[in-house]
Amino acid sequence: KNEVEQSPQNLTAQEGEFITINCSYSVGISALHWLQQHPGGGIVSLFMLSSGKKKHGRLIATINIQEKHSSLHITASHPRDSAVYICAVGRDNNDMRFGAGTRLTVKP
Amino acid sequence: IAGITQAPTSQILAAGRRMTLRCTQDMRHNAMYWYRQDLGLGLRLIHYSNTAGTTGKGEVPDGYSVSRANTDDFPLTLASAVPSQTSVYFCASSKTGGSYNEQFFGPGTRLTVL
Repeated sequence: KNEVEQSPQNLTAQEGEFITINCSYSVGISALHWLQQHPGGGIVSLFMLSSGKKKHGRLIATINIQEKHSSLHITASHPRDSAVYICAVGRDNNDMRFGAGTRLTVKP
Repeated sequence: IAGITQAPTSQILAAGRRMTLRCTQDMRHNAMYWYRQDLGLGLRLIHYSNTAGTTGKGEVPDGYSVSRANTDDFPLTLASAVPSQTSVYFCASSKTGGSYNEQFFGPGTRLTVL
């Protein structure tokens, strides 16, 4: 079993829909990261959090340490949000473990 | 240079050949990382460096070596490439080491070993 599990693997939505991507992990962590990988392959960091909730524009990330679960929400989704979203958990030192990613397609 | 760059963009390599993937950053970040990304497996850490002159092993270090002679450059060497090293390789950097820091990624190098 992978240490970081994401669901769903693939997600198709209509423009304007509210989107939720889930991440569950099975190890102790120091921080959790959400990353976005564009269709061209580039990877950018969206959030890093260790507790509570963070918001940036239409993106919201939450984490529940006790339940070892995080969610990434996208409000008012747009075709430009189409990408692979990756959850990663940071452990001791530089030990980062990554989920396999959720491929999101937003149709106009 | 702005940010973090990698070279080459892609490469096809015969098995047994030696190959060095280059990574350079201009953000004066202390920490740098090499990952490989394989379909269905997600990114996996190969090697890292928390500061110039030091390196450490990640989750999948076998068959790879790194050096960190200065702050800006972090080359990854495959001494004798094998087909299982076919992958997309990403270099990343962060201000300091530790998984509690935002990482900035390069554009990736697609390597095919035949």
